[in-house]
Amino acid sequence: SQKIEQNSEALNIQEGKTATLTCNYTNYSPAYLQWYRQDPGRGPVFLLLIRENEKEKRKERLKVTFDTTLKQSLFHITASQPADSATYLCALDADSAGNMLTFGGGTRLMVKP
Amino acid sequence: NAGVTQTPKFQVLKTGQSMTLQCAQDMNHNSMYWYRQDPGMGLRLIYYSASEGTTDKGEVPNGYNVSRLNKREFSLRLESAAPSQTSVYFCASSSQTGAYEQYFGPGTRLTVT
Repeated sequence: SQKIEQNSEALNIQEGKTATLTCNYTNYSPAYLQWYRQDPGRGPVFLLLIRENEKEKRKERLKVTFDTTLKQSLFHITASQPADSATYLCALDADSAGNMLTFGGGTRLMVKP
Repeated sequence: NAGVTQTPKFQVLKTGQSMTLQCAQDMNHNSMYWYRQDPGMGLRLIYYSASEGTTDKGEVPNGYNVSRLNKREFSLRLESAAPSQTSVYFCASSSQTGAYEQYFGPGTRLTVT
């Protein structure tokens, strides 16, 4: 069956450290993968998109990698801050036309001062 | 520029009642989506509209109907609400389907008793 797995346990890190979140998928062949941030009681906010032919994408303190052999994406936040505390969702295209996104369950990140 | 707006913010229904969730976007986007989010399940696509005049089923369409009223508005209707439809509903839009970021509304929290 098709699955997208993100660590359901919260990730607790100290301010200033690098946070690394994992998104693994099974029985998908995505053309792209997206990462979103969600704060409690609010809708997700887009962060980054990476395509299957891209190994790495950066935006300010954020970095995403995409390994289609391992079927895995890693999401890094460098120099993390308490304001980075949120739930982070990965999503990939679920149909051959690329019209539909399927989301993982998200990982909650807590950055402690 | 309000982005994506949803009404109502909260709603309580009794089993068997009907209601329509409203969504509007002011970004001139072609594509719109309805998701539901349940604890531990992540976001699941109910229906989407790739462009004005078209609608397609997503992952969990049973018990729902949609209408793309015009380019701006996309409504979700529950004809006969069931407790299993208790969830948070998010509307989203994007310029096109596919590898484009989605912009989400603030959500509607629906409880069916």
